[in-house]
Amino acid sequence: DAGVIQSPRHEVTEMGQEVTLRCKPISGHDYLFWYRQTMMRGLELLIYFNNNVPIDDSGMPEDRFSAKMPNASFSTLKIQPSEPRDSAVYFCASSRTSGEGTDTQYFGPGTRLTVL
Amino acid sequence: AQTVTQSQPEMSVQEAETVTLSCTYDTSESDYYLFWYKQPPSRQMILVIRQEAYKQQNATENRFSVNFQKAAKSFSLKISDSQLGDAAMYFCAYRRGYSGAGSYQLTFGKGTKLSVIP
Repeated sequence: DAGVIQSPRHEVTEMGQEVTLRCKPISGHDYLFWYRQTMMRGLELLIYFNNNVPIDDSGMPEDRFSAKMPNASFSTLKIQPSEPRDSAVYFCASSRTSGEGTDTQYFGPGTRLTVL
Repeated sequence: AQTVTQSQPEMSVQEAETVTLSCTYDTSESDYYLFWYKQPPSRQMILVIRQEAYKQQNATENRFSVNFQKAAKSFSLKISDSQLGDAAMYFCAYRRGYSGAGSYQLTFGKGTKLSVIP
């Protein structure tokens, strides 16, 4: 099976621009997570979905951040407008609640975002 | 709130030798999962090993094994016969074991950077 797929792998943008990060979870997984990794704060959970429904978005830093999951195989994380302090690596992860590997989160390769 | 502490920011090991990475955690829960993830320079987060708190037997995966001490809230990772490809950041992570709000959130430690010396 293919792992979690994220695009783009790298994104460089200017302050004030809209940024959209994309994620395709592992087929059959019913949970999807968005994390952010920075040197200062480490790995932080931003939001997670269960069966395409957002369950906990308390980690979303500001209203500039939004996430959607229109179907079981696709999710987006949008930042509008972007700011230099949003520069980080953004990870998507997915997990399943039954079957092999239950409760283990599998991560995508990450998107390195640089906001100039 | 749960916290995960990795007290060794950096470690080094000679190739073919054994190294142990430390992790402690704080929780009031009795049911939970613990994980070690590896992050090489490619930055991909790779699952190394997982442990269910209700299992007394320590998990093993080939050259990787854990020493899980539930009473001490300690979860160390032992890497045997270290290889150059083991060089990476290693993160310890905790997850609550029962359903409810926040139950699927992973709480990560700050990581330990492991260098392997040829």
